[in-house]
Amino acid sequence: DAKTTQPNSMESNEEEPVHLPCNHSTISGTDYIHWYRQLPSQGPEYVIHGLTSNVNNRMASLAIAEDRKSSTLILHRATLRDAAVYYCILRGSRGAQKLVFGQGTRLTINP
Amino acid sequence: EAQVTQNPRYLITVTGKKLTVTCSQNMNHEYMSWYRQDPGLGLRQIYYSMNVEVTDKGDVPEGYKVSRKEKRNFPLILESPSPNQTSLYSCASGGWTDNEKLFFGSGTQLSVL
Repeated sequence: DAKTTQPNSMESNEEEPVHLPCNHSTISGTDYIHWYRQLPSQGPEYVIHGLTSNVNNRMASLAIAEDRKSSTLILHRATLRDAAVYYCILRGSRGAQKLVFGQGTRLTINP
Repeated sequence: EAQVTQNPRYLITVTGKKLTVTCSQNMNHEYMSWYRQDPGLGLRQIYYSMNVEVTDKGDVPEGYKVSRKEKRNFPLILESPSPNQTSLYSCASGGWTDNEKLFFGSGTQLSVL
């Protein structure tokens, strides 16, 4: 199964940008990079996903390296409500429907 | 409104008493999956299903059963719960293609005494 590596935790201040990295050196050409986040005691929620080009939506931006071996989720102005565990996963057709989430990055936002 | 509905939201039970956590989606998704989350271990997949009557084991299937008799429903069954199954459970659904996002239920916090 395609695997991702993320830092265990990160900390930032309110209203500052946050860059959450993810390494996926074994990514295949057809794997999509998905990001989800999980608030305490809640199920995960979708944030953003992409294949090759950078992506933007109302929640965040996704910057994908040219070789696709890494990506960065960007929260442009963090708020206290963005404190969560962020998961980067690969969704691809090579049996990756097992969708390994890993431990994710616990993001703390300081007021 | 597109949604994945899990019930119950909270459940406290005793060792050995069979229980079912229901999951239903209204988006006609082929793919559905169950995860458990424990401190320091992140989300681990229990079972997944690619379509009706098609299910497969994830990383931690021991002690769990699932069924997919209808496309919209994917219940998680604990035949004889044990305290080590105390966890937060999340159900997900998604379209067949990898370019589609996953939708998650709001989670079921299970405590087995």
